[in-house]
Amino acid sequence: DIQMTQSPSSLSASVGDRVTITCRTSQSISNYLNWYQQKPGKAPRLLIYTASNLQSGVPSRFSGSGSGTDFTLTISSLQPEDFATYYCQQSYNTPKTFGQGTKVEIK
Amino acid sequence: QVQLQESGPGLVKPSQTLSLTCTVSGGSISGGSHYWSWVRQHPGKGLESIGYVHHRGSTYYNPSLKSRVTISVDTSENQFSLKLSSVTAADTAVYYCARDRDGSEIFDYWGQGILVTVSS
Repeated sequence: DIQMTQSPSSLSASVGDRVTITCRTSQSISNYLNWYQQKPGKAPRLLIYTASNLQSGVPSRFSGSGSGTDFTLTISSLQPEDFATYYCQQSYNTPKTFGQGTKVEIK
Repeated sequence: QVQLQESGPGLVKPSQTLSLTCTVSGGSISGGSHYWSWVRQHPGKGLESIGYVHHRGSTYYNPSLKSRVTISVDTSENQFSLKLSSVTAADTAVYYCARDRDGSEIFDYWGQGILVTVSS
């Protein structure tokens, strides 16, 4: 199975901050990397698919980049509704695995 | 707007079979190139893909669960179902149904989730 490592596991940030979350994979996955946001007690929400494509309805302050084994999710200006846990997922090889999550908390 | 809703028992005894149903509304389960999936999340943990079914009946299961999982579809009811046999406490989790865009396991619509506890 492809191992997914997110960093950091948690971070504290203020409204308006630029936030970057990293996902590293144990082998190259081209651009088959997706990002989800999950708030407590809610289902995950697809934000970014195939590394850099913004899902319909997702604010443009979210962006994704990377290829191969290193990927980033960037929130350009953190908003109050962005405090949540973020997961990366590879869709390159079965089984499709998720990272352990990065919790974004209010500073 | 597609909506998914899980239903089923919230408590299952060890060694029994967990059975859940996902009802799809706002769109036909037979429409498009979508696949219909189950994902679970152990308490306080990350996400694990269980498998998916296509409306024509093809399935995929995570190898770690394959010997115990069956996912099926009922197009007449616009539903799909999960059966997980021989459950243990390790199967206690929130179970989500989700729409897979095209078999790539990119999940663009999710149900709200249902907590299933395995306990005697």
